[in-house]
Amino acid sequence: DVKVTQSSRYLVKRTGEKVFLECVQDMDHENMFWYRQDPGLGLRLIYFSYDVKMKEKGDIPEGYSVSREKKERFSLILESASTNQTSMYLCASTSGQAEYEQYFGPGTRLTVT
Amino acid sequence: TQLLEQSPQFLSIQEGENLTVYCNSSSVFSSLQWYRQEPGEGPVLLVTVVTGGEVKKLKRLTFQFGDARKDSSLHITAAQPGDTGLYLCAGARGAQKLVFGQGTRLTINP
Repeated sequence: DVKVTQSSRYLVKRTGEKVFLECVQDMDHENMFWYRQDPGLGLRLIYFSYDVKMKEKGDIPEGYSVSREKKERFSLILESASTNQTSMYLCASTSGQAEYEQYFGPGTRLTVT
Repeated sequence: TQLLEQSPQFLSIQEGENLTVYCNSSSVFSSLQWYRQEPGEGPVLLVTVVTGGEVKKLKRLTFQFGDARKDSSLHITAAQPGDTGLYLCAGARGAQKLVFGQGTRLTINP
């Protein structure tokens, strides 16, 4: 069974802290994605990666960076957390074989105070 | 920028009723997907439509892709409380990326 896991379900951080969100997939997928989900805005793409050490900016990359050192792991980094980064963060992966079908993790609800 | 507009954003109906959710854009998509998301979980793919005019059925759910591949609809017949959730449409925009609609939050009341 396809599985995408995220390191935390809930996270509370203070303004200015550096925050790491981890995502691991066990499907040997090439492509991985980080989204944030806010009410009324749907899912917005932050960063994605086609391969190890490859990364591409999505639609809202400001304030975020990513790391992909291993194929199965894609990390999202908030260099200096701010209150407007309070959101649900979703990781997804896709093999690239199926027609864009993305497999999502359960999400991390991040609150920045 | 490719945008997908979903309507309605919120829908609350009684068990047994029928409903339709719409997903519209001014852009053409090579394919369109529908996901359902339940509280505390990530979205799960329901269906992918690829061909203009295509209709796919998944039990009581019927999905249609517009002839021009700019819009799609999801119709649920005889809705049940288990259908409650957030429904998201997503259009393929090249290089394995998707653009998502805002979502329709559906509540089916027993």
